[in-house]
Amino acid sequence: AQSVTQLGSHVSVSEGALVLLRCNYSSSVPPYLFWYVQYPNQGLQLLLKYTTGATLVKGINGFEAEFKKSETSFHLTKPSAHMSDAAEYFCAVSVPLNTGNQFYFGTGTSLTVIP
Amino acid sequence: EADIYQTPRYLVIGTGKKITLECSQTMGHDKMYWYQQDPGMELHLIHYSYGVNSTEKGDLSSESTVSRIRTEHFPLTLESARPSHTSQYLCASSDSRQTEAFFGQGTRLTVV
Repeated sequence: AQSVTQLGSHVSVSEGALVLLRCNYSSSVPPYLFWYVQYPNQGLQLLLKYTTGATLVKGINGFEAEFKKSETSFHLTKPSAHMSDAAEYFCAVSVPLNTGNQFYFGTGTSLTVIP
Repeated sequence: EADIYQTPRYLVIGTGKKITLECSQTMGHDKMYWYQQDPGMELHLIHYSYGVNSTEKGDLSSESTVSRIRTEHFPLTLESARPSHTSQYLCASSDSRQTEAFFGQGTRLTVV
């Protein structure tokens, strides 16, 4: 079975500080991994994804994440927070090529950026 | 840019009314999903479809129903709206390999 755990439902950082949002997953087979961002009253927008290949993936808006199989983690980072980064962030997994599976989402982390 | 559309974006409706939330995608995706999300909360899968004439209930029990008569269209219907149905409803689609889920903008439903 697949599951996603996001540590910290609320994270606050100062503008210009490092952003680190944590995500751990469990999966019986190698999963695809995703980070989505959601702004108020909007749908989810893909930030980045890992499917195969390089374990460090770069996304939009300066975000990146590293797939660490040994730690079953896919933490999201950004070197310098911007006010516009304030939003809800969701980590998700899917297992490919299996019609019985879904996308599994974490409970979300609300990021606040302090000026 | 994702080509998945939800209408209406916002809906305020009285108790007991029948409503249909529309979702359409132009990407030819086989898989489509409906999620329910309360403000600041996680997403709960309420329905999904793997293709035409295929619909399944998700992890969260819902009084809504869905249909999938055409690949591009996946409407959600509430026969009799209640205040407990007040929530945001998100539609999504993906290809068969699930390499990405594309989301619509959502419908925020308020039942008064």
